[in-house]
Amino acid sequence: KQEVTQIPAALSVPEGENLVLNCSFTDSAIYNLQWFRQDPGKGLTSLLLIQSSQREQTSGRLNASLDKSSGRSTLYIAASQPGDSATYLCAATSGYALNFGKGTSLLVTP
Amino acid sequence: GAGVSQSPSNKVTEKGKDVELRCDPISGHTALYWYRQSLGQGLEFLIYFQGNSAPDKSGLPSDRFSAERTGGSVSTLTIQRTQQEDSAVYLCASSLGFTSGNEQYFGPGTRLTVT
Repeated sequence: KQEVTQIPAALSVPEGENLVLNCSFTDSAIYNLQWFRQDPGKGLTSLLLIQSSQREQTSGRLNASLDKSSGRSTLYIAASQPGDSATYLCAATSGYALNFGKGTSLLVTP
Repeated sequence: GAGVSQSPSNKVTEKGKDVELRCDPISGHTALYWYRQSLGQGLEFLIYFQGNSAPDKSGLPSDRFSAERTGGSVSTLTIQRTQQEDSAVYLCASSLGFTSGNEQYFGPGTRLTVT
């Protein structure tokens, strides 16, 4: 089974900083990797999907990379804003079921 | 367009009662998934539907859990004889399937509390 780990578990940064969230997975036979955002008491919002043939995806201030050989993905957030405060979840799949990390709780302070 | 919807948003039930949770996927999405999010376990996969068939039920935690999907659309997750350890947020997701990268879109969840 695909095991997914996210580091750090929590992160607090001042507004305007660039930051990196890390995700590692154990099975390099990955089909895709998806990054989500979860606000308290809410469902998951899909941020970026990287398929196994891709190295990175970008959406606005977000950039996600995928390195299958090292079993790692990073989510880069540029010019962070207080509205970015949420829990960020990484999920990898080798088939159809997503295997989730436990998330990084991000707080961006004004 | 409309996203994935789930009902009820909250459900409080007494131990031993049966509950039904409903999921309406995004129109046209052939694949549907149920996950459970609990404090101790994080997010875990329960079951996957392709059309009305469930090729993989391996994530269902016990035989008290069952799910069905009808018309390739709405799905119902049923928990019989609920236990306190069933308390969690139950999330449903849908996708277009593997031809489109299988990006999964989640609903807002049903928070189940068993007293």
